[in-house]
Amino acid sequence: GQGVEQPAKLMSVEGTFARVNCTYSTSGFNGLSWYQQREGQAPVFLSYVVLDGLKDSGHFSTFLSRSNGYSYLLLTELQIKDSASYLCAVRDQTGGYKVVFGSGTRLLVSP
Amino acid sequence: EAAVTQSPRNKVTVTGGNVTLSCRQTNSHNYMYWYRQDTGHGLRLIHYSYGAGNLQIGDVPDGYKATRTTQEDFFLLLELASPSQTSLYFCASSDGLGNQDTQYFGPGTRLLVL
Repeated sequence: GQGVEQPAKLMSVEGTFARVNCTYSTSGFNGLSWYQQREGQAPVFLSYVVLDGLKDSGHFSTFLSRSNGYSYLLLTELQIKDSASYLCAVRDQTGGYKVVFGSGTRLLVSP
Repeated sequence: EAAVTQSPRNKVTVTGGNVTLSCRQTNSHNYMYWYRQDTGHGLRLIHYSYGAGNLQIGDVPDGYKATRTTQEDFFLLLELASPSQTSLYFCASSDGLGNQDTQYFGPGTRLLVL
């Protein structure tokens, strides 16, 4: 079946880093996106990956391994304001313009 | 200026009631989507459309109808609301071009069905 899995919660400390994991199983693969969602607000696009490897975008970096159905979002030099939910979304080849979202990982950054 | 707007922002109705949620986008995007978001389930696609008059069924369509009257406007209809439809509803739009196809979300509508 098709699914996108993420851990529900993650805790880290200000000034350090956090890695938000995502595993997926889809009938095809046409790219993976990461969104940030603050409490009570709409999701906001962060990053898109379709090729294997690490994509460094400064504060947010993303890694993809298509053979393993795995991605992570890496946040460095964490700030308190990075506390939010992070959603992984996978677009499969057979679903047209549908994407499948994971349930999201709630990141809590403590002082 | 918000490019995707939703109304109402909050709605309370009773079981069996008739509810219409509205979404308007000014991105000139072809694709529009309706999602519901519930704790433990993340965003689930209800219906989507790739243009005026078009409607595609999503992953959780039961109990919902939708209509795309113009490129800008997409409506979600609950004709006999049930408590299981209590949720946070998001509308989104995308241009549908290329693989990245970033989705832009509206602020959401909180629906409570008593």
